[in-house]
Amino acid sequence: ETGVTQSPTHLIKTRGQQVTLRCSSQSGHNTVSWYQQALGQGPQFIFQYYREEENGRGNFPPRFSGLQFPNYSSELNVNALELDDSALYLCASSLGTTGNNEQFFGPGTRLTVL
Amino acid sequence: AQSVTQPDIHITVSEGASLELRCNYSYGATPYLFWYVQSPGQGLQLLLKYFSGDTLVQGIKGFEAEFKRSQSSFNLRKPSVHWSDAAEYFCAVGAGNNNDMRFGAGTRLTVKP
Repeated sequence: ETGVTQSPTHLIKTRGQQVTLRCSSQSGHNTVSWYQQALGQGPQFIFQYYREEENGRGNFPPRFSGLQFPNYSSELNVNALELDDSALYLCASSLGTTGNNEQFFGPGTRLTVL
Repeated sequence: AQSVTQPDIHITVSEGASLELRCNYSYGATPYLFWYVQSPGQGLQLLLKYFSGDTLVQGIKGFEAEFKRSQSSFNLRKPSVHWSDAAEYFCAVGAGNNNDMRFGAGTRLTVKP
C-alpha cells in the first residue's frame, strides 16, 4: 500500500509568481486536506476536497485554490505569491470526512518565496 | 471554533526519564483529540487519538495520553524516553468533520544522553 506522496519536495519562487503543488492520496482514500505550516508553527488548515468538491475552507484568501481529480489526487495552487507564503505545505488523505477518520500526512513540499 | 494550546515550546529530558507534554483544548462538545509527531523534514505521524470511551489511550512507540474533560486537557506521557523520541510534538483537536482540525504550536523535545 502506497502512502501519501507530494511533489515537488522543495520549490523556490519569487513574489508575484504562481505555484502548483501536487498530492497523491493513499490508496482508497477519497478525501484530501491541505495544510500550511509556517516555520515554528503548527499546521493550519487551508481546505479539504471530498470526491472532487471543496468540503470546507480555512482562513485563507481566494488566491489559494485547489482541485481534486477522479483518482482522488489533488493540487494546491497559489497565485500572486507573497513572502509570507513561504512554508511547508502538507497534504493529508483520509477515508472520509468525519472527525474519526484518521488523516495520513505526506512529507510536505517546502516552498520558499523570495 | 475549537482551539489548542501547548504551553511548553521546548522541553529537555534525559534519556530514560519520564515525559509529559501538556495540551489544553477549547471546544464546546466532545472533541476528537490527536497527538502527532514530526521529525525534521518529515510529515506528521499519528501517535494516538481519542474519540470516546476509555479516557486513557495507548498509542504507538510506548506513548499514552489521558483525556480529562474537567481540565480540558489531553496530556501525552511516556514512562521512559529514548533518544529517538527527539522531535516536534503536536496536539490537535477536531470536530464532527475532519475538515477543520486545529493544531497547537507544537512542543520541541530534546533528549539528553
